[in-house]
Amino acid sequence: DTGVSQDPRHKITKRGQNVTFRCDPISEHNRLYWYRQTLGQGPEFLTYFQNEAQLEKSRLLSDRFSAERPKGSFSTLEIQRTEQGDSAMYLCASSPLGHSAPNEKLFFGSGTQLSVL
Amino acid sequence: AQTVTQSQPEMSVQEAETVTLSCTYDTSESDYYLFWYKQPPSRQMILVIRQEAYKQQNATENRFSVNFQKAAKSFSLKISDSQLGDAAMYFCAYRFYNNNDMRFGAGTRLTVKP
Repeated sequence: DTGVSQDPRHKITKRGQNVTFRCDPISEHNRLYWYRQTLGQGPEFLTYFQNEAQLEKSRLLSDRFSAERPKGSFSTLEIQRTEQGDSAMYLCASSPLGHSAPNEKLFFGSGTQLSVL
Repeated sequence: AQTVTQSQPEMSVQEAETVTLSCTYDTSESDYYLFWYKQPPSRQMILVIRQEAYKQQNATENRFSVNFQKAAKSFSLKISDSQLGDAAMYFCAYRFYNNNDMRFGAGTRLTVKP
């Protein structure tokens, strides 16, 4: 197992276009998180899945954002009608069920860097 | 709302020396968890150390240790015998026990000089 994988590593798009990112968590990790990190800031929580169920969404996740985890394995994050303010790094993290959730160790991917022109 | 503050945007340490990174947080809760994550140039965040708020004993992980002062809401990270591979962004994070939302500070960039 090579860890959490995110694709693509970089994405450049024009304002108004739709983009989709993919995250493959570590095999058998039931919990999956999406975070957004802007330049000079720490990551900000976007959403959380336990298996295929999306259990929590941040108010940062506007209607233009949608995340799915259809079979409880990989997840996708789609941004519709991108805006320049969406430019950021989007990080995915996973953890195995069975660990005490609040104290869990998150395993992060290397992120997708989005640039909206 | 819980907030995490890292007052040192950048820190520098000589190889083999000790450095302390500061972190303070604001919360009205009594049951929570604190973390330090490292983000090297590869961008992949890696857990360095974690602390349960109900534990008085400070956590240690090899060369990494914390100074947890619950009353002062302070959670500093001490790196002993600094190595070149310790150079990275370090993020302090807070998580309420009943919440999936982990709050991160803005980070401290640590440079290790040979």
